[in-house]
Amino acid sequence: GAVVSQHPSRVICKSGTSVKIECRSLDFQATTMFWYRQFPKKSLMLMATSNEGSKATYEQGVEKDKFLINHASLTLSTLTVTSAHPEDSSFYICSVPGRGSYEQYFGPGTRLTVT
Amino acid sequence: AQSVTQLDSHVSVSEGTPVLLRCNYSSSYSPSLFWYVQHPNKGLQLLLKYTSAATLVKGINGFEAEFKKSETSFHLTKPSAHMSDAAEYFCVVSVNRDDKIIFGKGTRLHILP
Repeated sequence: GAVVSQHPSRVICKSGTSVKIECRSLDFQATTMFWYRQFPKKSLMLMATSNEGSKATYEQGVEKDKFLINHASLTLSTLTVTSAHPEDSSFYICSVPGRGSYEQYFGPGTRLTVT
Repeated sequence: AQSVTQLDSHVSVSEGTPVLLRCNYSSSYSPSLFWYVQHPNKGLQLLLKYTSAATLVKGINGFEAEFKKSETSFHLTKPSAHMSDAAEYFCVVSVNRDDKIIFGKGTRLHILP
């Protein structure tokens, strides 16, 4: 299966600042990546689909101007939380779809805390 | 529309006893189904997957699941629980058309000594 990394694993930032989270597919190229958000003791919520070479597709209710997604290359997608507020504190997880297997390979997640 | 329902938000079993985590799905297409486990503050680990081959699927750590189309179920079982099995378990359905997947709400498994 694919190996997916995320950086940083955890970050603390002040309210009003922006934070960038990286998701890398380490062993194969991915034209599509997914970003999820997980609230404490809750399930994963799909935020958006990151598309290499085109704009990201956001799920209903997700602010695209707040959660900026850039699929810079076939192995890298970034999620930038702009003007972060405490309610943005969450666990953010990315995934890469497997080729032909319908399986998703998940990154280890990034814990964001906004103070 | 596709959906997945995990019938129990919490399950408690004693160590050494069987585990049953229930999952029902709804899909307009032939689904692919997965079970993932998440330990506290950790990422997701794939336990097993069903992708239209054998209906009884064996996974890691002694877990298995059976796809039952007539019951639209994909319940996760393990014959004998271990303390290390305490975690959150997610049943997931893949809609295939656009690689999107849908998560169940999760079941927290507690293992009693």
